Amino acid sequence: AQTVTQSQPEMSVQEAETVTLSCTYDTSESNYYLFWYKQPPSRQMILVIRQEAYKQQNATENRFSVNFQKAAKSFSLKISDSQLGDTAMYFCAFMRAGTYKYIFGTGTRLKVLA
Amino acid sequence: EAGVAQSPRYKIIEKRQSVAFWCNPISGHATLYWYQQILGQGPKLLIQFQNNGVVDDSQLPKDRFSAERLKGVDSTLKIQPAKLEDSAVYLCASTPYTGTGNTGELFFGEGSRLTVL
Repeated sequence: AQTVTQSQPEMSVQEAETVTLSCTYDTSESNYYLFWYKQPPSRQMILVIRQEAYKQQNATENRFSVNFQKAAKSFSLKISDSQLGDTAMYFCAFMRAGTYKYIFGTGTRLKVLA
Repeated sequence: EAGVAQSPRYKIIEKRQSVAFWCNPISGHATLYWYQQILGQGPKLLIQFQNNGVVDDSQLPKDRFSAERLKGVDSTLKIQPAKLEDSAVYLCASTPYTGTGNTGELFFGEGSRLTVL
């Protein structure tokens, strides 16, 4: 069975600085997708970034980028130039290709400080 | 494009009472999910529908929880009778993708927060 682990329950970062959130996963599958979702306080969860396991290149979306280490089963999220609006819970998620079954980590609560 | 709609946003009930949550996914989305999110934890899948058929309900406590998706569109999740440990946010999500080769972004509603006293 697949598992997703987020070992940082809470983190904080100063506005405009860079922060990295960690995620590790366990699977024997070779074809899968990894996601980072953001859940702002009292608001809906939205996709931040996704990575396809067969792609070597790390995904980037504006200030958000990932460090995908397939052999190490690690998938960290880097947020550059942190903004107050980045304050949220961040969830790492795994999906085996074709199944549409998602496994979420326990989340990291990120607070951006002014 | 309208997002995933959920109601009610908040509900407070006594234990042993019943409650129902409603979800209307984004138009055309074939796959619909109900997740339970207990405070401080990640979402846990309760049930997954594809069109109006159940794909996975292995973690649904069937002695008290039930769900249906009428005509493959909107869905209702019911809890009867509720227990204290059912206090959580119930998230509905949908995705348009079916089959292999798609990356399957999930679109979430704002959730329904249940408090059982």
